[in-house]
Amino acid sequence: AQTVTQSQPEMSVQEAETVTLSCTYDTSESDYYLFWYKQPPSRQMILVIRQEAYKQQNATENRFSVNFQKAAKSFSLKISDSQLGDAAMYFCAYGRAGTASKLTFGTGTRLQVTL
Amino acid sequence: NAGVTQTPKFQVLKTGQSMTLQCAQDMNHEYMSWYRQDPGMGLRLIHYSVGAGITDQGEVPNGYNVSRSTTEDFPLRLLSAAPSQTSVYFCASSLIPGSAYQETQYFGPGTRLLVL
Repeated sequence: AQTVTQSQPEMSVQEAETVTLSCTYDTSESDYYLFWYKQPPSRQMILVIRQEAYKQQNATENRFSVNFQKAAKSFSLKISDSQLGDAAMYFCAYGRAGTASKLTFGTGTRLQVTL
Repeated sequence: NAGVTQTPKFQVLKTGQSMTLQCAQDMNHEYMSWYRQDPGMGLRLIHYSVGAGITDQGEVPNGYNVSRSTTEDFPLRLLSAAPSQTSVYFCASSLIPGSAYQETQYFGPGTRLLVL
């Protein structure tokens, strides 16, 4: 079974600084997708960024980027120029390719953004 | 586009009562899923569907039933509620397999359920 591990229950960053959230996963599959979701206090799950395992290039979305290390099974999220609105729970998720409806989630990292 | 909608937002049940959590999507997505979120445990898959008339169990299916008669709707039924089912429930949908874009799941706002 696949597992996703987020080893940082809480992180803190100052406004305008950069923070990296870590995620590791375990799978024997070669074709899969990885996602980061943000969950603000409203509880809505919001897609932040996604990565296809076969792509060596790291995904970026504005201030959000990932460091995908396939051999190490690591998928960290970097948030640049942090803003107060970035404060939320962040979940890393794994999905085997072809199983669009079956994500495995990590336990989340709570990010605080301070002035 | 309303996206994925869920009703109710919040519900209190007594042990042994039954209820149905509603989920609907208007994005013509084939795949739909139900997850539960408990403190410190992330989201866990309860049931999923790959199309109308096709459902299967996820990681934690016990105590829940699903059916999918239309592409748009995917209700989750609790037949006899237990305190262990106190949780936040999320419905999600995605297109079809093919790429990270197509397989991205989009979530509803969640239903908070309290079983006394």
